[in-house]
Amino acid sequence: EPEVTQTPSHQVTQMGQEVILRCVPISNHLYFYWYRQILGQKVEFLVSFYNNEISEKSEIFDDQFSVERPDGSNFTLKIRSTKLEDSAMYFCASSGQYEQYFGPGTRLTVT
Amino acid sequence: QKEVEQNSGPLSVPEGAIASLNCTYSDRVSQSFFWYRQYSGKSPELIMSIYSNGDKEDGRFTAQLNKASQYVSLLIRDSQPSDSATYLCAVTGGTSYGKLTFGQGTILTVHP
Repeated sequence: EPEVTQTPSHQVTQMGQEVILRCVPISNHLYFYWYRQILGQKVEFLVSFYNNEISEKSEIFDDQFSVERPDGSNFTLKIRSTKLEDSAMYFCASSGQYEQYFGPGTRLTVT
Repeated sequence: QKEVEQNSGPLSVPEGAIASLNCTYSDRVSQSFFWYRQYSGKSPELIMSIYSNGDKEDGRFTAQLNKASQYVSLLIRDSQPSDSATYLCAVTGGTSYGKLTFGQGTILTVHP
């Protein structure tokens, strides 16, 4: 069964460093998303991406964040200068139409 | 602010019983409704989607939607210890076509 994959599973970085989280969506899906979940809190929407452009972003997704689809399979989330409060699980999701399927997540720890 | 509210629980049911999970949402134009299961430390796993009023059954799971009351529920029949997880209600639609808005989740414990 096709699934969303994410790498790395765990990323530790120092405050102020740049990180890139990678995702491979399900191959025939056209819509891609990033969500995050701070420990003990709700899953929060960050950004949606369709047809090589951002279709919607949340207020969390400020200038420090960017997304890219560098080739036909990968979808990346870049955080330019990480802050302590960026520590969270980051989930990539993809959908064909309505149903979104989540990857296993990347645990980002900012020290 | 569009909100999705769930009773955080924990909800504890004996094995074999019916577990009933509830969710309300504030955005009246919401169109699509989903239930995800999340085991501790894992990602959300889609278990049910529902788009129109009424019931939708899939195996041991039944989702119920009442748009007039802005209410969606999930029933789990013949609950098993492996069903013990956090159940997340998620809503999309209206002006935010693809964005999922999640509730806090209900922790379900099924005890043998």
